[in-house]
Amino acid sequence: GESVGLHLPTLSVQEGDNSIINCAYSNSASDYFIWYKQESGKGPQFIIDIRSNMDKRQGQRVTVLLNKTVKHLSLQIAATQPGDSAVYFCAENRAGGGNKLTFGTGTQLKVEL
Amino acid sequence: EPEVTQTPSHQVTQMGQEVILRCVPISNHLYFYWYRQILGQKVEFLVSFYNNEISEKSEIFDDQFSVERPDGSNFTLKIRSTKLEDSAMYFCASRGGQRNTGELFFGEGSRLTVL
Repeated sequence: GESVGLHLPTLSVQEGDNSIINCAYSNSASDYFIWYKQESGKGPQFIIDIRSNMDKRQGQRVTVLLNKTVKHLSLQIAATQPGDSAVYFCAENRAGGGNKLTFGTGTQLKVEL
Repeated sequence: EPEVTQTPSHQVTQMGQEVILRCVPISNHLYFYWYRQILGQKVEFLVSFYNNEISEKSEIFDDQFSVERPDGSNFTLKIRSTKLEDSAMYFCASRGGQRNTGELFFGEGSRLTVL
């Protein structure tokens, strides 16, 4: 069936290292992808988005890569900081899917000092 | 910085009772949403709202659920007769701009506990 899912439930990194969080999607009609960060007890916070006509987009300390061939999305966080500790969700908006976002399961990022 | 605000932050109710969750979206936004997140699970779409009507709803959003924008600022989610499985965090979100894209701003959520 159609789904957006994450490879790893938990990722532990050392402070200062780079983090890579992965996401797979199965609907080739998906045309817009977003990464959200959710800290404990808070709502999802937008990090970065990418349209399907792009394969890379950079923000401040974050980069999203999109590989449409294998239906894979990744979020790279440079120089990971303790404040980056959170659950990260990928989400998709499908062409013709209206305004709703379909979220993946989430990856817990733990930054070790 | 503009933000989406939600009240109450936590509500405890008895099964079968009606609950209204309130949201104040960002003032110039046009698209409004409710999502829910059962503890430890992913965020699930419930309903989207635009131009004073529902744009889309999920299978979760059955006849027990309704949404309303009673004035120019509030956006409410009503659950008529709560069930145990309605216990979750409910997030309101809003978006301005182009349809199907654009950053979705989420509120801090309202935690609903049904006993």
